[in-house]
Amino acid sequence: GAGVSQSPRYKVAKRGQDVALRCDPISGHVSLFWYQQALGQGPEFLTYFQNEAQLDKSGLPSDRFFAERPEGSVSTLKIQRTQQEDSAVYLCASSQGGQAYGYTFGSGTRLTVV
Amino acid sequence: AQKVTQAQTEISVVEKEDVTLDCVYETRDTTYYLFWYKQPPSGELVFLIRRNSFDEQNEISGRYSWNFQKSTSSFNFTITASQVVDSAVYFCALSETTYNQGGKLIFGQGTELSVKP
Repeated sequence: GAGVSQSPRYKVAKRGQDVALRCDPISGHVSLFWYQQALGQGPEFLTYFQNEAQLDKSGLPSDRFFAERPEGSVSTLKIQRTQQEDSAVYLCASSQGGQAYGYTFGSGTRLTVV
Repeated sequence: AQKVTQAQTEISVVEKEDVTLDCVYETRDTTYYLFWYKQPPSGELVFLIRRNSFDEQNEISGRYSWNFQKSTSSFNFTITASQVVDSAVYFCALSETTYNQGGKLIFGQGTELSVKP
C-alpha cells in the first residue's frame, strides 16, 4: 500500500480483556517496529522485526505483550489481560532497511482500557 | 545510554514569528542518525528530516532549517515565519547503528508548538 495502515483506529477494552492490534506495512518493507506512546510523552520502542524474525523485543513491558509477523508482512501486537496502564497509542513503523532509509509511521491505534 | 532531551515542553508564538525547538542528545556511538518528526492532532508522525552523524552541514527546506552541532550534541530546528498550520507536537529522535536492532528510534518528550493567528 501507499502508507502504513493500522487497525483499529480506536479500541476500548475492559480491564482483563485481550486485544489484537494490526499493522499493514508498506509493501516490500523489510523492517517493522512497534512503539507505545503514552499521553503527553514521546513514543517508546516495543519491538522490531526484520522480515518474519523478531530481532528485538526488549521494549515489551511485560509477558502480557506479544507480537508476531508470521509471513514477513502484516504484524499483530497482542496484549493479554489488559490493564489500565496499557492505555496508550500504539504506533507501527516500517522501513526498507533501517535508519538510512528512514521510517514511515502509521496513524496508530488508540487503546483505552476501562 | 542513549537519550534525547527536548527541554521545551510547550512553546506559544504569534504567526510570522520565528521559533527554535531545541534538541540535545546523548550517545556513545560514533555513527548515528538524528530525526525530526511532526505529530499533528491526527496522530500520525510525519517525517521532516534525517541527518547522519558524519554530516554536520546545516539544512534549509523552505521555512524549516536545522542546526546540527556535534560539539554540543545538539540538533535544533527553526521555523521561520511560523504559520498556524505549524501547530503540532514536534519530536526529535536518535537512532544508533547497532546490528540487529534495525536502528530503533529513541524519542525525546516532544515540544508542543502553538502558533496563534
